[in-house]
Amino acid sequence: DSGVTQTPKHLITATGQRVTLRCSPRSGDLSVYWYQQSLDQGLQFLIQYYNGEERAKGNILERFSAQQFPDLHSELNLSSLELGDSALYFCASSVAGQGYNNEQFFGPGTRLTVL
Amino acid sequence: AQKVTQAQTEISVVEKEDVTLDCVYETRDTTYYLFWYKQPPSGELVFLIRRNSFDEQNEISGRYSWNFQKSTSSFNFTITASQVVDSAVYFCALRDTYNQGGKLIFGQGTELSVKP
Repeated sequence: DSGVTQTPKHLITATGQRVTLRCSPRSGDLSVYWYQQSLDQGLQFLIQYYNGEERAKGNILERFSAQQFPDLHSELNLSSLELGDSALYFCASSVAGQGYNNEQFFGPGTRLTVL
Repeated sequence: AQKVTQAQTEISVVEKEDVTLDCVYETRDTTYYLFWYKQPPSGELVFLIRRNSFDEQNEISGRYSWNFQKSTSSFNFTITASQVVDSAVYFCALRDTYNQGGKLIFGQGTELSVKP
């Protein structure tokens, strides 16, 4: 158990819908990262937050957005869902935003299926 | 640009065999970090090791060992006396530069199957 929690574990929805994925980092970690794992794209970085502020952005679609709240939990919002958004979405956390002590510990993932 | 290549898509071995998973990386940064993660069939990503670019010492942890060679930009992972529980997908990853946060750039993964 990495200490990172993600809910829900599974999500099945229809095209055009909007969903919210939730992540709670390990106790003491200030940084939260979101990754998408799909068969064709592999594991891809989406976005990083550090202590409530956006720190880095990857190949995140405009239909996707995220935020980190004062209690450090994070939410990833996916809207206007398409079949191709079906994937495993991981949240990871680390102590710092960058620098030496930056192992990222991953949550169990949320499997999103868009029908 | 940074890139991680794991040329072996799938490897199948018989229990007790040694197996090496290859990882080649590209980066223009002089300071960088390399990682290995394991993804068992249950799906979670488990951190195995971090190696810093300024520390080329090889590391052994039980049946696992890692060989980091800057001259060939490689960070290979060896499992000695493999066991069925080692069956998983293994990912090598590179951490981006200081000025761009801490995102990980992953290779495509190597699926290891250890048969009894």
